[in-house]
Amino acid sequence: GAGVSQSPSNKVTEKGKDVELRCDPISGHTALYWYRQRLGQGLEFLIYFQGNSAPDKSGLPSDRFSAERTGESVSTLTIQRTQQEDSAVYLCASSPRGGYTEAFFGQGTRLTVV
Amino acid sequence: AQKITQTQPGMFVQEKEAVTLDCTYDTSDQSYGLFWYKQPSSGEMIFLIYQGSYDEQNATEGRYSLNFQKARKSANLVISASQLGDSAMYFCAMRDYRNQGGKLIFGQGTELSVKP
Repeated sequence: GAGVSQSPSNKVTEKGKDVELRCDPISGHTALYWYRQRLGQGLEFLIYFQGNSAPDKSGLPSDRFSAERTGESVSTLTIQRTQQEDSAVYLCASSPRGGYTEAFFGQGTRLTVV
Repeated sequence: AQKITQTQPGMFVQEKEAVTLDCTYDTSDQSYGLFWYKQPSSGEMIFLIYQGSYDEQNATEGRYSLNFQKARKSANLVISASQLGDSAMYFCAMRDYRNQGGKLIFGQGTELSVKP
């Protein structure tokens, strides 16, 4: 199927290393979201892309976090100098332009920082 | 700023009974959408139901209905005839179409346990 695809599904990294997480949205979806979900917690908004508009980066927790999106396609979330508190599931979602429909989620990337 | 509040960290319901999960929201905009998602222990996010701020009727999808009270800024989810498979985390979410340009934010969730 042509759902939202995230890779890798699991990532274990050493503290201090950089990691890149990838999200392939559903084709034609102009909106793309990244969220962080710590164990047993809710979804914490990180960043939102809508077409060619400037992204809403208001949820990024520190300058170690950054994200890019090429046009209306793939997005990468980069975490530099990872810390143990970065351990979480990172979820990506996409939705069509207009936004009067639900966002479709990927399966997430489980990041473990050791 | 947008805010979503779910005040029930955990709920229990007997199988076949109905249950209401609470959600209140805060926004200064008149145009917004409200969503409910289910997250089972597998971790996937499953969309359940949507309510637009201008919709006059409460949304319904099978056993799910949304009790939308605009003046109170509440959007409670009602699950009728609960099933064991309904045991999961439930998240309320809001997309504010004007002020926030469509950003989608979530509440902290309610863990529902259905007892046989």
